[in-house]
Amino acid sequence: AQKVTQAQTEISVVEKEDVTLDCVYETRDTTYYLFWYKQPPSGELVFLIRRNSFDEQNEISGRYSWNFQKSTSSFNFTITASQVVDSAVYFCALSENSGNTPLVFGKGTRLSVIA
Amino acid sequence: DAGVIQSPRHEVTEMGQEVTLRCKPISGHNSLFWYRQTMMRGLELLIYFNNNVPIDDSGMPEDRFSAKMPNASFSTLKIQPSEPRDSAVYFCASSSSGLTPYNEQFFGPGTRLTVL
Repeated sequence: AQKVTQAQTEISVVEKEDVTLDCVYETRDTTYYLFWYKQPPSGELVFLIRRNSFDEQNEISGRYSWNFQKSTSSFNFTITASQVVDSAVYFCALSENSGNTPLVFGKGTRLSVIA
Repeated sequence: DAGVIQSPRHEVTEMGQEVTLRCKPISGHNSLFWYRQTMMRGLELLIYFNNNVPIDDSGMPEDRFSAKMPNASFSTLKIQPSEPRDSAVYFCASSSSGLTPYNEQFFGPGTRLTVL
């Protein structure tokens, strides 16, 4: 069975600090997809990134970066120079085979960025 | 595109009443997912459809829950009778099985259901 663990329930940082959100996953599939979603206080779920199991290249998008390490089954998310607008709940998710299968979500990490 | 549309956005009802949640997926998407979010259980799948056909409804909690997708542009999730423990945010999401395997799910704004 697939499982996603986000061990950090809540994180609080001061603005401009860097912060890393951890994600560890379990799956027996050789092909799978990993995702990060953001849920701001308004409640919607916003897609941030996807990664397939064959692509271990790290990715950077502005202040966001993701570190995928298959050897440790981790897909961590780092926000550099955090801002108050980054305050949200962040979910890591896993799906098998393709994006047309259901997402298995972690419990989420609530990030609070204090001015 | 308008994105995934859900209605109503908020629903308050009394225990025992029937509740119907509605979802319009993004045009051209052929997969539709219903998820439920609660504090205790987080985000969990209830049911999903591919090409209007239910594929996996193992997440539907009880017979009180039912879902339909009569056509590619509309789906409903019905709870009858509703109970206070059904109070949650219900999300609908859609995705496409296009040529690329990178098919993220796009989520609707959710329906916040409160059962008194």
